[in-house]
Amino acid sequence: DAGVIQSPRHEVTEMGQEVTLRCKPISGHNSLFWYRQTMMRGLELLIYFNNNVPIDDSGMPEDRFSAKMPNASFSTLKIQPSEPRDSAVYFCASTSLGAGFGETQYFGPGTRLLVL
Amino acid sequence: LAKTTQPISMDSYEGQEVNITCSHNNIATNDYITWYQQFPSQGPRFIIQGYKTKVTNEVASLFIPADRKSSTLSLPRVSLSDTAVYYCLPGPNNNAGNMLTFGGGTRLMVKP
Repeated sequence: DAGVIQSPRHEVTEMGQEVTLRCKPISGHNSLFWYRQTMMRGLELLIYFNNNVPIDDSGMPEDRFSAKMPNASFSTLKIQPSEPRDSAVYFCASTSLGAGFGETQYFGPGTRLLVL
Repeated sequence: LAKTTQPISMDSYEGQEVNITCSHNNIATNDYITWYQQFPSQGPRFIIQGYKTKVTNEVASLFIPADRKSSTLSLPRVSLSDTAVYYCLPGPNNNAGNMLTFGGGTRLMVKP
């Protein structure tokens, strides 16, 4: 299994531009999570999906952020317009809910975003 | 969700045993305790998980007392490659979703 795949691995953009981050969860997993990590705030949960449906987006910082999961094998996190304070590493993780003994999350390698 | 408290950082030397204790005073009855490890420039990785008493795998041991208000991750004979941030996460095991909340973690530095 290739694990959770994220693209791009690095993104540098200018303030005001739209940024789209992509994630392919592990095949067969039915839950997907988007996290953001910074030195100041640590690892924050932004939103999570169960069976492609957004369940809790209370961690999404503001309306500039949106996430979609059109099918079980693909999700996007979009920032429009981007701002310098959005600079962070964005992680995607997936798991299989209802698997029984706790739901271990498997993380992707992350996308390092720098907004100038 | 249970709030956790861990030491911010710890130092150790190669070959020593390292114990990282996490307190989670308001852990719920159906919460498991999971520990993750994160290396620089990588996503967190599952290490070990338990509910009570002791769990051991090829990487670590996890000790959970009867009241479950704390847990201790034990890394035997650490090496330089164990330098990482370690997160303790109590979380529910239910079909409604596992909203894991990562705290600040413990930054372990292993020195030669």
